Amino acid sequence: LAKTTQPISMDSYEGQEVNITCSHNNIATNDYITWYQQFPSQGPRFIIQGYKTKVTNEVASLFIPADRKSSTLSLPRVSLSDTAVYYCLVGAPYGNNRLAFGKGNQVVVIP
Amino acid sequence: DAGVIQSPRHEVTEMGQEVTLRCKPISGHNSLFWYRQTMMRGLELLIYFNNNVPIDDSGMPEDRFSAKMPNASFSTLKIQPSEPRDSAVYFCASSGTGGSFRSGANVLTFGAGSRLTVL
Repeated sequence: LAKTTQPISMDSYEGQEVNITCSHNNIATNDYITWYQQFPSQGPRFIIQGYKTKVTNEVASLFIPADRKSSTLSLPRVSLSDTAVYYCLVGAPYGNNRLAFGKGNQVVVIP
Repeated sequence: DAGVIQSPRHEVTEMGQEVTLRCKPISGHNSLFWYRQTMMRGLELLIYFNNNVPIDDSGMPEDRFSAKMPNASFSTLKIQPSEPRDSAVYFCASSGTGGSFRSGANVLTFGAGSRLTVL
């Protein structure tokens, strides 16, 4: 049973802010929330990680509510190069979480 | 650091042939993962090594698949005999021990992948 649920795909126009929400109702106390980005013909790459509240780096922001049962990745002012698959990973990526990455969320940025 | 290095990048083979995929993790990382990616199933974990020891191989599809990690700087994933349904992109990823790995605090660094086509 996957620990996370994400939308399958979404479109957005250039310059807009994109918010992707991941549901993880069964998150464990010690679990971290990590987001990865995958471009075509490349391996996934780390974007951002958080445990609670808000985290921001040069690429994105991650919002985590107090109950930690969901998290929202925010990409400000997307460009065409942000077209990619985005994965939300909760906790360690093995054991019962073997299918943690799954199919991810396909974000297509439209000119 | 050159990152996680995988070879070959592309392989086309015929059904029944043996396939060997190779991975060199980032120096100093002590965890190594092999993933398979297909359109149908997405990205799924095949096997996870920690300090060169297989910890979780529950994702290995069947006996035709085997993986080894003879030392900290090298791992192989072997398919023998290969079948058309094994066609996929295979990724290797490594991670260090800077944080608590059981909680997922450690970040995975992926290689560029090996695209396998079995005819």
